[in-house]
Amino acid sequence: EVQLVESGGGLVQPGGSLRLSCAASGFTFSSYEMNWVRQAPGKGLEWVSYISSSDSSRYYADSVKGRFTISRDNTKNSLFLQMNSLRVEDTAVYYCARRFYYDSSGSYFDYWGQGTLVTVSS
Amino acid sequence: SYVLTQPPSVSVAPGQTARITCGANNIGSQSVHWYQQKPGQAPVLVVYDDSDRPSGIPERFSGSKSGNTAALTISRVEAGDEADYYCQVWDSSSDHVVFGGGTKLNVL
Repeated sequence: EVQLVESGGGLVQPGGSLRLSCAASGFTFSSYEMNWVRQAPGKGLEWVSYISSSDSSRYYADSVKGRFTISRDNTKNSLFLQMNSLRVEDTAVYYCARRFYYDSSGSYFDYWGQGTLVTVSS
Repeated sequence: SYVLTQPPSVSVAPGQTARITCGANNIGSQSVHWYQQKPGQAPVLVVYDDSDRPSGIPERFSGSKSGNTAALTISRVEAGDEADYYCQVWDSSSDHVVFGGGTKLNVL
């Protein structure tokens, strides 16, 4: 059974840092591209970041570029999001999500974690 | 940046048909995916590649696309379909993922 379990969320002051983790199991983690998606309270889904299976490519939403860093450890089946210079508007539930290709170019998010809440407040 | 526009809410009586739209320039060249999200839960894929259904999703859920608009249609709506629905594309020009703002389906 595929499982994605996020951890590391919590309360942090503006300007602070936090590191999120996503533990993957039930599939060959090193074969899949992974993403972080967040959802502010009462708001919609917002894509945050992407990392390729071999860590050769990383992409970020403009709202977090230069502040957040995505990474992975394929030996430990883990995905990470290092969040620095946090702002109040970064407050959200953060989900890790697996990218699944259904053909040579088409893909969607097929598995999501349960999310971890990050609250940025003084 | 690429923008997907959804209506904030759609209301429908049980047993009727709900149609949720997702508009964008040149959406015809994109593969559109739809997710259902119930309160306190992670999103679940209900339609992918404009009109395909993942296994386990009822046939009542269908997708279509015409011109600059994609649509998710839910036939014979049930109370359990009440949720937020999001359209999503991968913008290959920017290597970014884009979600629509979401539509709350209210079952009256």
